[in-house]
Amino acid sequence: DAGITQSPRYKITETGRQVTLMCHQTWSHSYMFWYRQDLGHGLRLIYYSAAADITDKGEVPDGYVVSRSKTENFPLTLESATRSQTSVYFCASRSTKPEQGRNYGYTFGSGTRLTVV
Amino acid sequence: GDSVTQMEGPVTLSEEAFLTINCTYTATGYPSLFWYVQYPGEGLQLLLKATKADDKGSNKGFEATYRKETTSFHLEKGSVQVSDSAVYFCALGVSTADKLIFGTGTRLQVFP
Repeated sequence: DAGITQSPRYKITETGRQVTLMCHQTWSHSYMFWYRQDLGHGLRLIYYSAAADITDKGEVPDGYVVSRSKTENFPLTLESATRSQTSVYFCASRSTKPEQGRNYGYTFGSGTRLTVV
Repeated sequence: GDSVTQMEGPVTLSEEAFLTINCTYTATGYPSLFWYVQYPGEGLQLLLKATKADDKGSNKGFEATYRKETTSFHLEKGSVQVSDSAVYFCALGVSTADKLIFGTGTRLQVFP
């Protein structure tokens, strides 16, 4: 199916373990984003990517690593998970087609709920 | 820096009541403004948008007007339904940046 998919939907991991969250989109959108959602903080940007092999830090990048070897995939890795990284993680994408002008509307995935114990 | 401030929730209303969720912003340049909605267990969906001053975005009975003089983009609906219960996020997009800035979200609970 076309769209943006995240996996897994739910994940429980132990402190110190490495965990990777996957994000895949089928539109060939240039831009992809990772956000975390926490009570009282809303959505905070972790990392984003403007194209394959181009990534940049967002507001809260510490403890996370991203890569983008292919346009359609944008995995997020927690190198050594901590309890403070317990959160709901959302991946999003958007196009840069000229006709969209200044429309920065994103399309979001359904999220991954990560619990670090 | 650029930022978005939303009213804190939860907002609790009876069905058919009038809804207002306040959103104000701080930005350099000429931002685009958005409202997103998140239903329980789901990701965010674009609800409406406005790309310049005095534009009115509308969708599913919701409306918001881009007010440059008051730097506001308040969300309104004349008659809410139980199915409108969700979290609503105001967001700002600046043309000089690649990303959206989100408010903290406002939870709406509508009771029959």
